[in-house]
Amino acid sequence: SAVISQKPSRDICQRGTSLTIQCQVDSQVTMMFWYRQQPGQSLTLIATANQGSEATYESGFVIDKFPISRPNLTFSTLTVSNMSPEDSSIYLCSVGPSGDYEQYFGPGTRLTVT
Amino acid sequence: DAKTTQPNSMESNEEEPVHLPCNHSTISGTDYIHWYRQLPSQGPEYVIHGLTSNVNNRMASLAIAEDRKSSTLILHRATLRDAAVYYCILSYNQGGKLIFGQGTELSVKP
Repeated sequence: SAVISQKPSRDICQRGTSLTIQCQVDSQVTMMFWYRQQPGQSLTLIATANQGSEATYESGFVIDKFPISRPNLTFSTLTVSNMSPEDSSIYLCSVGPSGDYEQYFGPGTRLTVT
Repeated sequence: DAKTTQPNSMESNEEEPVHLPCNHSTISGTDYIHWYRQLPSQGPEYVIHGLTSNVNNRMASLAIAEDRKSSTLILHRATLRDAAVYYCILSYNQGGKLIFGQGTELSVKP
């Protein structure tokens, strides 16, 4: 198993600003992913964070809005840029030691944009 | 991406078995069937996964139809702590990506 922590756990931000969310894992992992969960909705995959290369974004998500870093096998950051109230969501990271099997999720970062 | 269909909500009584259905009629031969659940105010947690054969673990059982077009997650004795949204997800060789549907919200009555 893997233990994942996220910082901050929650934040309230003003529109037009940016927030960087950190995801730390207690062991080296191959796969790291970022998801968004809008109020009352299911999870939507934002991107796959690739170690040593650019993230792979899903349709509807772009690097300018959600830049991602993955400097090593235990850490990643997601930045939500130029925020608007529509960005108010829970942002979660997940890790998978081996592709198509069990994934572990962080507790999430609850973001409110005013 | 292969899609899944689940009922929006289900109710169960405490200490009774719960059968959560999932339809995946467009599943391909190499898609794995995963189940995750999300308790209130928490990130999703892995429950079980399988390919063709029925699977059991400490949390649940997964029954997979012979044609693989449907599956059922079985909680043998529901507890109040099992109240959550349960997601049925298909994935194969997508680099580990999980594409979540709307899931089934399970409520458990004492």
